[in-house]
Amino acid sequence: DAGVIQSPRHEVTEMGQEVTLRCKPISGHDYLFWYRQTMMRGLELLIYFNNNVPIDDSGMPEDRFSAKMPNASFSTLKIQPSEPRDSAVYFCASSSTGNTIYFGEGSWLTVV
Amino acid sequence: DAKTTQPNSMESNEEEPVHLPCNHSTISGTDYIHWYRQLPSQGPEYVIHGLTSNVNNRMASLAIAEDRKSSTLILHRATLRDAAVYYCIRAYNAGNMLTFGGGTRLMVKP
Repeated sequence: DAGVIQSPRHEVTEMGQEVTLRCKPISGHDYLFWYRQTMMRGLELLIYFNNNVPIDDSGMPEDRFSAKMPNASFSTLKIQPSEPRDSAVYFCASSSTGNTIYFGEGSWLTVV
Repeated sequence: DAKTTQPNSMESNEEEPVHLPCNHSTISGTDYIHWYRQLPSQGPEYVIHGLTSNVNNRMASLAIAEDRKSSTLILHRATLRDAAVYYCIRAYNAGNMLTFGGGTRLMVKP
């Protein structure tokens, strides 16, 4: 099993640009999570999906952030427009009901 | 609010046992206790979880107090590769959303 696959692994972008982070969950998993990690705030849950439907997006910081899951094997997290304070590591994770959550290796975002 | 309390950091010598404590005094009867760890520059990875009884797996052991208000993750023989941040999390369901606190940074000395 390839695990949770995220892309890009690293991205540097200029303030105001659109950023799209991508995630392929583990096949057969019905939960997908997006987390953000910074030194100041630690690991924060942004949003999670169950069977491709967003269940809780209360962690999404503001309207500049949006997430979609068009099918069971793909999800995106978009930031538009990006700001320097969005610089962080963004983790995607997946699980099947009642079981362990598996995390990807993260997308390291720097907004300059 | 992660609802668990852990020491910020701990040190251990290589090849010695490590006991990582966690307080969760407001835990409900249906909450599981999960432990994840995060190695440098990697995503968190599952270590172990339990509800009431002590649990063992190939990575670690989990000792849960009888009143369930605290637990201890036990690494039987620390290696340099065990240096990581260890997170203790209480969650209703093993696979649902997890709220991470600050964790304990474990340093292992050779």
